[in-house]
Amino acid sequence: QKEVEQNSGPLSVPEGAIASLNCTYSDRVSQSFFWYRQYSGKSPELIMSIYSNGDKEDGRFTAQLNKASQYVSLLIRDSQPSDSATYLCAVLRQAGTALIFGKGTTLSVSS
Amino acid sequence: GAVVSQHPSWVICKSGTSVKIECRSLDFQATTMFWYRQFPKQSLMLMATSNEGSKATYEQGVEKDKFLINHASLTLSTLTVTSAHPEDSSFYICSADSGTGGLWSNQPQHFGDGTRLSIL
Repeated sequence: QKEVEQNSGPLSVPEGAIASLNCTYSDRVSQSFFWYRQYSGKSPELIMSIYSNGDKEDGRFTAQLNKASQYVSLLIRDSQPSDSATYLCAVLRQAGTALIFGKGTTLSVSS
Repeated sequence: GAVVSQHPSWVICKSGTSVKIECRSLDFQATTMFWYRQFPKQSLMLMATSNEGSKATYEQGVEKDKFLINHASLTLSTLTVTSAHPEDSSFYICSADSGTGGLWSNQPQHFGDGTRLSIL
């Protein structure tokens, strides 16, 4: 079992819709969770971080964490074509160690 | 703040040559740097963890004699791909940890822009 799993997609949504991206992780000691956006040929860009169970909102983005289910999600409201990218879920087990990434979910927002 | 510069951004070279990639933290001291590799349609795979002044720790399956990592200062880590072959063609990305953020940091690591390596 991979440490961080995501559906590779592609996930296609129309402009203005809500895009829902999901991620599960296997290591229960994971403490910090992150969502990155990566455009083709570019480096990952941090969108959200979350540490506590529940929801965390930042603009159009909402991250959700359920440690009991080992599940992290990202909701993108009012999706825009510019949101079309690959979204990477990452976990951090200990400070000073490397982020562990999922394979990423490709999102396509059509206008 | 927290800018990581990676150079070169793109390199094409012949099979058998060695290629050096630099990763610099411009406005902070990086106690730890990480090197990732990303093949097309794949995720970032950690290659090695580099700590200033000590030997790098390589992930399983990564040849330490082929991928030489040097972290000689708190602001610079280098990755040298020795005797590169076409299968080494990939997107190499470094990230730097200042060591001050801790587990609850909003951004524990800062990424460079990546290096596209193409071996002919």
